[in-house]
Amino acid sequence: GNSVTQMEGPVTLSEEAFLTINCTYTATGYPSLFWYVQYPGEGLQLLLKATKADDKGSNKGFEATYRKETTSFHLEKGSVQVSDSAVYFCAPPMDSNYQLIWGAGTKLIIKP
Amino acid sequence: DGGITQSPKYLFRKEGQNVTLSCEQNLNHDAMYWYRQDPGQGLRLIYYSQIVNDFQKGDIAEGYSVSREKKESFPLTVTSAQKNPTAFYLCASSGPTSYYTGELFFGEGSRLTVL
Repeated sequence: GNSVTQMEGPVTLSEEAFLTINCTYTATGYPSLFWYVQYPGEGLQLLLKATKADDKGSNKGFEATYRKETTSFHLEKGSVQVSDSAVYFCAPPMDSNYQLIWGAGTKLIIKP
Repeated sequence: DGGITQSPKYLFRKEGQNVTLSCEQNLNHDAMYWYRQDPGQGLRLIYYSQIVNDFQKGDIAEGYSVSREKKESFPLTVTSAQKNPTAFYLCASSGPTSYYTGELFFGEGSRLTVL
């Protein structure tokens, strides 16, 4: 079935550092891909998405490019802030029953 | 503003009691979901409903029950049969266009603690 492999956390960085969180997926076809963010004590929010190969999703300084050839959708940000501290989920592609099988996410800690 | 409202945000329960978590959406979405999240873990699907008056079990449905009498509402009951109910519960929905792409809209969550 469809799945994602996401780098384990926690990832600890200093403010203004460059961020990469790796995500690779397995799926049939070319599904839409998503990154969600969960701030402490809250639900998940859509951070960005890409609906087809070579699309780049972007929001709040974060970017991710849908790379079909490497089946990857890595999340990047050029200069992180303390307020970016959260858990980031690379959402798995939907399966044939239209359900999602989630990973544990990557906890990001930004130190001032 | 359209969105999903979960209540209560925090809930305490004694062992042996049933509790019901509310989830209401005004997004006109057909599909709704309940997930459970434990510390350091991903989301696990409890139940989902693709249409009113119909719902299916997810991966961890034992000890839980749901109803879908209205499009806007998908309450989750945590019964006394659920052996370890302390967790963070998330309700989500998806609409006519987002359903087939997998984009979900989430509520703020409800944290249940068993005393």
